[in-house]
Amino acid sequence: GQSLEQPSEVTAVEGAIVQINCTYQTSGFYGLSWYQQHDGGAPTFLSYNGLDGLEETGRFSSFLSRSDSYGYLLLQELQMKDSASYFCAVEGGSYIPTFGRGTSLIVHP
Amino acid sequence: DTAVSQTPKYLVTQMGNDKSIKCEQNLGHDTMYWYKQDSKKFLKIMFSYNNKELIINETVPNRFSPKSPDKAHLNLHINSLELGDSAVYFCASSPQGINEQFFGPGTRLTVL
Repeated sequence: GQSLEQPSEVTAVEGAIVQINCTYQTSGFYGLSWYQQHDGGAPTFLSYNGLDGLEETGRFSSFLSRSDSYGYLLLQELQMKDSASYFCAVEGGSYIPTFGRGTSLIVHP
Repeated sequence: DTAVSQTPKYLVTQMGNDKSIKCEQNLGHDTMYWYKQDSKKFLKIMFSYNNKELIINETVPNRFSPKSPDKAHLNLHINSLELGDSAVYFCASSPQGINEQFFGPGTRLTVL
């Protein structure tokens, strides 16, 4: 089977930097993705790591270490609108996508 | 020019009824998915189709039957609805697996 672990909640202040970690166990691995979901909304894609290293997209960066089965999402210059749930997701054996249980990010003024 | 659309957005129905949710994508993607998100926000894959062929069927009761008339459409029919089916159902499409899935707005199903 496949399982992912990520913190249930993270809080931070505007302008700060926050890191959301994700560890995974899969049989087979094809990549790690991150999605953002605001309350009442749909998940939206943020980033994807297929290989080890850092991917940067504006204020958001994502990192992957396949040898450690670990990745993280880094959010810089936090804004109030970044308050949302963040999900890591992996595609493991048989190309079955599995999502983590989500991290609720609360940004305070 | 909506990318992934679902209808209806809200569905309230009685136990035992049969209902359908429709999904359409205009992105030209080959792969479409159905996910169920429960009240604790756990997002779980139900089905996936690639070019109208079922490729993932994740231990879903056979009361749930997906149908893909063409690669732009993936509908979900649910028979004999139960209280535990209450959830938000998301349709998604992608050109390449978990990398960059585009989600529809969701259908909030409430079974009374």
